[in-house]
Amino acid sequence: LAKTTQPISMDSYEGQEVNITCSHNNIATNDYITWYQQFPSQGPRFIIQGYKTKVTNEVASLFIPADRKSSTLSLPRVSLSDTAVYYCLVGDMANQAGTALIFGKGTTLSVSS
Amino acid sequence: GAVVSQHPSWVICKSGTSVKIECRSLDFQATTMFWYRQFPKQSLMLMATSNEGSKATYEQGVEKDKFLINHASLTLSTLTVTSAHPEDSSFYICSASTVSTGSVIFAFFGQGTRLTVV
Repeated sequence: LAKTTQPISMDSYEGQEVNITCSHNNIATNDYITWYQQFPSQGPRFIIQGYKTKVTNEVASLFIPADRKSSTLSLPRVSLSDTAVYYCLVGDMANQAGTALIFGKGTTLSVSS
Repeated sequence: GAVVSQHPSWVICKSGTSVKIECRSLDFQATTMFWYRQFPKQSLMLMATSNEGSKATYEQGVEKDKFLINHASLTLSTLTVTSAHPEDSSFYICSASTVSTGSVIFAFFGQGTRLTVV
């Protein structure tokens, strides 16, 4: 059973900022939050991972409130090529033996011109 | 990010034959790899956990005798679909994890293998 809840779909236009929120009410102390992007017929591509507060990389930002029960992936100035399915996952990423990530339904982002 | 490579990217096989899919971690060692299956318009479903040097752990409902997993080295896991049938046609994806500085693990996925059984 997936540990996360996301909107099924979102629409945006090129150049806009897109924020996708994920709910993970039962997140455990050792769980990290990871976001992946998937294009059709490709494997998921790592976007960003965080534990608390804010994480930023060259692609996106991840905002995590203090209670960690939700998180928001922020994509600045999206383009048509950002049309994809975005998955939010939580898992114990401090477990050196490896943690199986359980996927929910994801959010299908459609970017139009 | 770290690279996980799958081979082949796609394969078509006849019903009743077996197909082997390879998953390699190219620039890191992975004691654990994971195999997923994805049907059209659906999310990834975890099939099994592949452990180097030991037996794989299968998720409920996944037939271990049909989906043979071998993790012979720290960089290679294989999934063999035995006696394939059309209903086994799917997109198979593997995942491997690597440890960054700070002992946090990041999971990376292969590009997937499209299996079509005719």
